[in-house]
Parts: sequence; C-alpha cells; structure tokens
Amino acid sequence: DTAVSQTPKYLVTQMGNDKSIKCEQNLGHDTMYWYKQDSKKFLKIMFSYNNKELIINETVPNRFSPKSPDKAHLNLHINSLELGDSAVYFCASSQVAGVATDTQYFGPGTRLTVL
Amino acid sequence: AQSVTQLGSHVSVSEGALVLLRCNYSSSVPPYLFWYVQYPNQGLQLLLKYTTGATLVKGINGFEAEFKKSETSFHLTKPSAHMSDAAEYFCAVSYYSSASKIIFGSGTRLSIRP
Repeated sequence: DTAVSQTPKYLVTQMGNDKSIKCEQNLGHDTMYWYKQDSKKFLKIMFSYNNKELIINETVPNRFSPKSPDKAHLNLHINSLELGDSAVYFCASSQVAGVATDTQYFGPGTRLTVL
Repeated sequence: AQSVTQLGSHVSVSEGALVLLRCNYSSSVPPYLFWYVQYPNQGLQLLLKYTTGATLVKGINGFEAEFKKSETSFHLTKPSAHMSDAAEYFCAVSYYSSASKIIFGSGTRLSIRP
C-alpha cells in the first residue's frame, strides 16, 4: 500500500521526444507537487496543485506541463526533451494546501535520462 | 532573499560517534524548519520539523534538532551513529506567507565508518 507512487521509475529517451511521468497518491491529500533533483542533489519545486488547481508554478520552461485529472493524480508531461532535463523527478503530496507547516510525502522518484 | 545553507556536502563519522549536520537559514522573518532524509534510490522522508513552541525537536530514528533564532540555525544531531543512518540529509524552510512552498538546502551526504 504505497502512499505516493510514480511511474516509470526509470526513463531513458532521445532528445526531442515527448514523455510523461505519472504520479498517484492514496493518502487522501489535497495538494500534490513536482520537484526536480539535479545531478548535484539540489531539489527544487516545479509545480503544485491543490484539488486539481495550479497553485505554485515556478520558473519552469513551458515544455513542462502538469496535468491533474483528479486530486489523487498529478502527471508531468515534457515536450521536446533536452539534455538538461536529465534529472530525478519527485512527486510529493501534503494534506492541506497553503499550510507552510504541512509535511510533504515523497514518491520514490523517476530518473529521466535524455540522450 | 530567503535561503538555507548546509555546511558540508559530505560528513563521515564512525559508527557510535556523534552525528552533527549543520543548517543555517537566511531570512528576515522566522521560518518553519524541516529535516528530510533520502536513503539511496528512494524519495525523501520527514525526520523532524519545527513550527512553534519548544525549540528542541525530536524526530524519528533518534535524531533531534534545535532551533536557535540568534544563530539562525537548525542543526541536526544524533548521539550515536548507526550504519543505517547513511543517507542524504536535507534541511528545508518554509514561511507562513509562502503557503506550501518549501526551499531545500543542497543536502549533506552522511557516511558511517564501521
């Protein structure tokens, strides 16, 4: 009974391709996030959704588009992949939106390698 | 600008020794403070957090951290390291005004020597 799950775990693709990463949480949380962790382990937020509504949108190329079909799912679609997109992408969730003290629960990550 | 700094990208201690991982924040308003741990090939997991009240916070796996406002620090300690503590540790901050947004430090890799 995994709390936050992501698929796929590994993704290897060519430059210029379009790919998607899926995320699901079974915690009943209202808020979900996407983070990017680079090769130096630096972790930065990309997006956050609350009950299907975008609430955080950091400075991310518009090739990245999050989609939330329902509050338990937040998918990340990436168009025209570039070498610099290679990273580990983490999905996370938290119970309530807009609460700075809320604990975030992370998925296991998706390692994206762009060749 | 609000930021968090972790001193030392890599810390190595002997099994049974004290673990001390340093974290300092920079902001004009008091933050909420977190320590997350990332075991190899896994996602992050909350170790402990400070929101209000007692400045010494106890977390899971025997870790604790103390919020020192005068030093703008939130160092993580554990009295006796165990081999299973080997992982990447991230200090993070959030602010009342920034809703759910967390700013992470660059991480400290903790190695344990037998």
